[in-house]
Order: sequence, then C-alpha cells, then structure tokens
Amino acid sequence: DGGITQSPKYLFRKEGQNVTLSCEQNLNHDAMYWYRQDPGQGLRLIYYSQIVNDFQKGDIAEGYSVSREKKESFPLTVTSAQKNPTAFYLCASSFVARQAKEQFFGPGTRLTVL
Amino acid sequence: AQSVTQPDIHITVSEGASLELRCNYSYGATPYLFWYVQSPGQGLQLLLKYFSGDTLVQGIKGFEAEFKRSQSSFNLRKPSVHWSDAAEYFCAVGADNQGGKLIFGQGTELSVKP
Repeated sequence: DGGITQSPKYLFRKEGQNVTLSCEQNLNHDAMYWYRQDPGQGLRLIYYSQIVNDFQKGDIAEGYSVSREKKESFPLTVTSAQKNPTAFYLCASSFVARQAKEQFFGPGTRLTVL
Repeated sequence: AQSVTQPDIHITVSEGASLELRCNYSYGATPYLFWYVQSPGQGLQLLLKYFSGDTLVQGIKGFEAEFKRSQSSFNLRKPSVHWSDAAEYFCAVGADNQGGKLIFGQGTELSVKP
C-alpha cells in the first residue's frame, strides 16, 4: 500500500541532544513537508522541499534542519538550538504539478524533551 | 496577509444532530480549499477538497462543504453526527502560486454527546 511512514512514533530527548525524525513516502510525490503541532496552535510549517536536493524554510525553521537526498525521504533533525522542541511532528507529501495539491500526512512522531 | 480562521475552538453536539464547522479565509489568489480530520495522536486525513466547479463538494464519511466566494467561507457540514466523528477538524487553503504549501486554520475540536 502507498503511504507515508514516520518513525519513531515516540521519541525522548535529553536537553542538548540532536535527534532525527524519519519520514518516508512511496507515493511518488515531488514535495514533502514538516509541520509542528502544539495544542491550540494548529499546524506550523517548519521546512518543505519541492524537489530532491532543494528545500526551503517555513514559518518556524529556527533550530531545525532537513535534507532531501532522495525523493522518498525527508528527515528532520531537531537540534539543541531548538529551545522548546516538545511537540507532535507531522510529515506530509504532495504532487507539485497537479491542481488542488492536497497533502497526505504520516501518523506523526511525538517528541518529548526530558 | 493570507490567513485561515476557524472561529470555533470547541463544539459539542448530540449524536444524531446536524453539524456545521465554520472556516473563513483571506487569500489574494483563487484558493484551493480542504478539510482534514485528525483523531488524537494520529495524522491528518483528507475529508474533502474544492478547487473549481460545483461549489458544493461531497467528501468521505458523509461530510460536505460549500464554497461561498462572496463570504470567503468554506463551511463543513454533516446532517447527522455519529459518536465516531469526535475529532479535531482543520480547514486549509492553498493556491497555484504557493507551490503546494497550505495554510491551516487553528482547528475545531468536536465532541459528541450520547
């Protein structure tokens, strides 16, 4: 079945550590996105990528980094520079060239800083 | 500035009652409009989308939405709510000139009374 997978489902980090969240899709989508979700704040865009080896900052990119070496994969690293990383992280993907580019979402990763 | 507003943070309805969730947008370009649903701890699932044509669109799980350009609204409706509809609902807006990026509303949490 086609879809988006995120791993791990739960992740615990000590302060000062970098952690990497995985996102893989087999939908042949061109674009991939990372969102952060906090209670009562909806979804905020961290980074997005429309093509391999290229990505752009979203609204809250500080303290995060990404790479897009393969079309299927878009890992997100939460660095120690992110002051308040505890949140639910969602990865999504979409076609770029088609109309009504709905995004398909993965199941999410909940990150907790200890 | 582009924005999406969901005026109701939390709505409670009785099972079997009708439902309307409000969504208003502010967008310079011709918008694409989406409604997503999220169960606790899960990713987002697309309920329906509008990009052109008939302004009344049907979605999954018995939901429908109507695009009203004059009111900049895209309200979600369901004639008879089931207990399993309890979840959080997000309205989102995109456009051709946004490269696949979507702007999400803050979400409306729906509770269903037996």
